[in-house]
Amino acid sequence: QLVLTQSPSASASLGASVKLTCTLSSGHSSYAIAWHQQQPEKGPRYLMKLNSDGSHTKGDGIPDRFSGSSSGAERYLTISSLQSEDEADYFCQTWGVGMVFGGGTKLTVL
Amino acid sequence: QVQLVQSGAEVRKPGASVNVSCKTSGYTFTNYYMHWVRQAPGQGLEWMGIINPSGGSTTYPQKFQGRVFMTRDTSTSTLNMELSSLRSEDTAVYYCARGNYYARYYFDYWGQGTLVTVSS
Repeated sequence: QLVLTQSPSASASLGASVKLTCTLSSGHSSYAIAWHQQQPEKGPRYLMKLNSDGSHTKGDGIPDRFSGSSSGAERYLTISSLQSEDEADYFCQTWGVGMVFGGGTKLTVL
Repeated sequence: QVQLVQSGAEVRKPGASVNVSCKTSGYTFTNYYMHWVRQAPGQGLEWMGIINPSGGSTTYPQKFQGRVFMTRDTSTSTLNMELSSLRSEDTAVYYCARGNYYARYYFDYWGQGTLVTVSS
């Protein structure tokens, strides 16, 4: 069964970098995922589609501070030079036999 | 620029139906598949189905078959999602989302969301 696993929370200081992880379940390490950001009380915003080889396609207007990478079944979202507005929920999404969402990581910017 | 603008919040009684609309602009409406996704309070996201705005064909997950109906109006570039036989568990924020041109099951734009409250 295709499952996406994310840590519930993460924190990092203003101006620092943070690396968030989305892990694909066993047997699904070739799958691409998409990363989305959801700021408090707002609709989600597409950040990027991330392939198994680490190549990624970012959404319109997404700053260079946001980047993606892959290793095996892990899909990473790295945010550098953290700003206060980066405090949000970040979730991953993919398609298998049906749509699959990760549980989301709540990022706190200290 | 691409915009997906949804209709306003709704309150319905159990057993009723609700219709949520999603007006699109900034791109060729018939070139991109569209999805509906919902998020109940404090819960994760749940996919409700996909529609091809070109021909109107739809696919719904088993959970929603028989209760959800997605349509589109090409003259106004608007999508509609009707959910019937509402129950309290359907209280959620409902989103429309555009499928990526090359990978239709990955969303690249979202609407702002519509809160549907089901309460007697």
